[in-house]
Formats: sequence, structure tokens, C-alpha cells
Amino acid sequence: ETGVTQTPRHLVMGMTNKKSLKCEQHLGHNAMYWYKQSAKKPLELMFVYNFKEQTENNSVPSRFSPECPNSSHLFLHLHTLQPEDSALYLCASSPLGNTIYFGEGSWLTVV
Amino acid sequence: QKEVEQNSGPLSVPEGAIASLNCTYSDRGSQSFFWYRQYSGKSPELIMSIYSNGDKEDGRFTAQLNKASQYVSLLIRDSQPSDSATYLCAVSPNNNDMRFGAGTRLTVKP
Repeated sequence: ETGVTQTPRHLVMGMTNKKSLKCEQHLGHNAMYWYKQSAKKPLELMFVYNFKEQTENNSVPSRFSPECPNSSHLFLHLHTLQPEDSALYLCASSPLGNTIYFGEGSWLTVV
Repeated sequence: QKEVEQNSGPLSVPEGAIASLNCTYSDRGSQSFFWYRQYSGKSPELIMSIYSNGDKEDGRFTAQLNKASQYVSLLIRDSQPSDSATYLCAVSPNNNDMRFGAGTRLTVKP
């Protein structure tokens, strides 16, 4: 139990579907992140939120849409994804400027 | 040039040996450095953080940082089969994000 909870843990979706990944942190941190991990590639930073404000968007395609309603919750809305978007999506949180703690990840398969 | 570079391995060491994992980074202004361990099918978990030049020891793990050479390493003493995993080097160039290397896969053979 890392204090960062992600749901669902596994998701299979068609290319025309709309789905969302959810993340909740119980650590009182003020920064939350979405990372993408594909096979044999470094972790790719997608989005950063500090105090609910998006501070970084690493040229992520618009088919990925983040939402941060408060400092404890983070969503990643998925729409018309491609098979190459299949990956492990990791949510993380941190006290600003400090160690990042990861959730257990959501395995996404796009068919 | 990649921001954080690691030898992808696999690195194989016998049980009881010292495993040495290396990492270089490109942003000379980086201030915070981390090692994460990731077991297959799991998310990364923090092993150590280091912020100043020199060595930092925690049990069987020692992190070493040389900012002038832009180099950070992790030594694992008395390696155990349970240490077999992918080790990720991470560097924080600012207060907003953390950049990861691709990881080094370590196998400790009994």
C-alpha cells in the first residue's frame, strides 16, 4: 500500500471507446502526476498538477485529457486511442520538489 | 542526447556479490537524484534518494553522486535473488517533475 490508489488496474478498450483512469492519493501531497510506461522505454512524464493547477503537459496527444478536481484526485480521460497507446499508466504524487510515490498502475490495452 | 542514461543490461551477478548500477544525466543544474526498483508487473518503488556529492548508505545499498561528472550510481552489497528487478535512475531538474532512465535489469543468480 503506497498511499496512491489507481483504478481500474486493468482496462481493455476499443479505439472508439471513452474511458477514464482514476487516481487518489492519501498522503497529503500537493503534486500529482501521470506517467506512461511502454515496454523497454523510459517512463514518460505526461502531466503534472501542483495544487490542482496543471503545470506541465509534455506534448501529449489530445486523446488523453487530464482532470484534477482537487489535490487528492486525478483522472485521465481516454478517447479514440490507438493500439500504440497500450501501456502501463502510472499515477504518482509528491510533496512539491520531493520524492515521487507511485500507485500500482493501470494496465491499458487498446484493441 | 537522452536526459538520463542507463545501461539497459541485463546485468547478471552471483548471489553474495556486489552489483553496480550506473547512471548519467544531461542537466547540470539537477539537484535531486533517486533510485527506484521495479519488479516485473509492478510499479516503481523508491530505494534511495541523494542530494549532495559523495556516498549515502542505507543497509546493503549505497548511492554515489558526482555532480561534476554528472554521474550517479547504486551499489548493492551481498546481492540476493530477491534483488532481481529493473532499477530506475531518476533525476529532478526542477521542482515540477522527475526524469527517468530506461532502467537496468539486474539478475542475481543463486
